[in-house]
Amino acid sequence: QQQVKQSPQSLIVQKGGISIINCAYENTAFDYFPWYQQFPGKGPALLIAIRPDVSEKKEGRFTISFNKSAKQFSLHIMDSQPGDSATYFCAASNFNKFYFGSGTKLNVKP
Amino acid sequence: GAVVSQHPSRVICKSGTSVKIECRSLDFQATTMFWYRQFPKQSLMLMATSNEGSKATYEQGVEKDKFLINHASLTLSTLTVTSAHPEDSSFYICSATLRGLAGGPSHEQFFGPGTRLTVL
Repeated sequence: QQQVKQSPQSLIVQKGGISIINCAYENTAFDYFPWYQQFPGKGPALLIAIRPDVSEKKEGRFTISFNKSAKQFSLHIMDSQPGDSATYFCAASNFNKFYFGSGTKLNVKP
Repeated sequence: GAVVSQHPSRVICKSGTSVKIECRSLDFQATTMFWYRQFPKQSLMLMATSNEGSKATYEQGVEKDKFLINHASLTLSTLTVTSAHPEDSSFYICSATLRGLAGGPSHEQFFGPGTRLTVL
């Protein structure tokens, strides 16, 4: 059973637009929700993370929105740039074990 | 800070040989290290969790005799793929967690750059 469901699988956004990626989880014991950015041939890099006691966290152009009752969280990338083109993974964690979403390949068109 | 390195970054070997991949936390002591496998255009699949000085905990379906993990120190974990076969070809990624405020592992995982294994 997939612990974390991520959508869409791929996303094309124009430069300057907003990229939105969604994730949903089932296990209410999860208490840490990070987003990772991965470029081809590289390991994932932590982008931003949130804990369930907060509904929103913003760092620069990246914002996580968290809906605890719906068991959903999303990543918003404002003013998307071609350099943001990468694969994004959401994850959920409890007791230090991470469960990753299936990934979203983002392509930002110049 | 919190840099994790992997060596080698890329390895090609013949079927039947063994390959060792090193994962090092360069500027911190890692309470726990994780090993993942990633197939092309797919997500990360956790293979095992290793704590310094103790046996690794393998995920269901991962052969412990095939994928040997040694966590000799707080900064080094190794993954040895024994008797590698073409189906073992994959991207192997390690990650490490810092020691948390209470002395246990923190939530944040820092990933290495990955090792591309190709078995001919």
